[in-house]
Amino acid sequence: GDSVTQMEGPVTLSEEAFLTINCTYTATGYPSLFWYVQYPGEGLQLLLKATKADDKGSNKGFEATYRKETTSFHLEKGSVQVSDSAVYFCALKGGNFNKFYFGSGTKLNVKP
Amino acid sequence: EAQVTQNPRYLITVTGKKLTVTCSQNMNHEYMSWYRQDPGLGLRQIYYSMNVEVTDKGDVPEGYKVSRKEKRNFPLILESPSPNQTSLYFCASWSDWDRGHNEQFFGPGTRLTVL
Repeated sequence: GDSVTQMEGPVTLSEEAFLTINCTYTATGYPSLFWYVQYPGEGLQLLLKATKADDKGSNKGFEATYRKETTSFHLEKGSVQVSDSAVYFCALKGGNFNKFYFGSGTKLNVKP
Repeated sequence: EAQVTQNPRYLITVTGKKLTVTCSQNMNHEYMSWYRQDPGLGLRQIYYSMNVEVTDKGDVPEGYKVSRKEKRNFPLILESPSPNQTSLYFCASWSDWDRGHNEQFFGPGTRLTVL
């Protein structure tokens, strides 16, 4: 069945460091891929998405490229800020409109 | 403002006392879902609904009930809560236009503690 695997955290970085959070997926067909962010005490918010192979989703300096050949959707940011501290979830939606599959989440701590 | 609302935001209850967590969305979405979030496990789907009067089980439905009598509302019912249902619960909604490439919109969460 469909599934998402993302790197375990927590990830601790200094401000202005480069960020990569790995995400790989298993799916039949052509899924859509998403990154959601959860700030402390809040619900999940969409960060970016990509709906077909080689698409690049981007928002707020974050980027992720839909790589079908490696079944990956890694999240990157060139220079993180303290305000980026949050939990990041990789998610997949396949041909079945009913279900989203989420990774376990990666907590990011950014220190000044 | 487009949003998903949940109530209550925080709830402490005792084992066996029936409770309902409400969820409402104002975006006319066909799909709605309930998740629970537990440390190290990410989000796990409890139930989902494809439209009014159409619901189905997710990955962890035991001990929960849902109903979808109106398109905007999707309450989660715990008939006899137990301590292992202590968790953070999220409601979400989405639509199926744009060939299904749409994201989910999440409520703010309900922190439930069952003593």
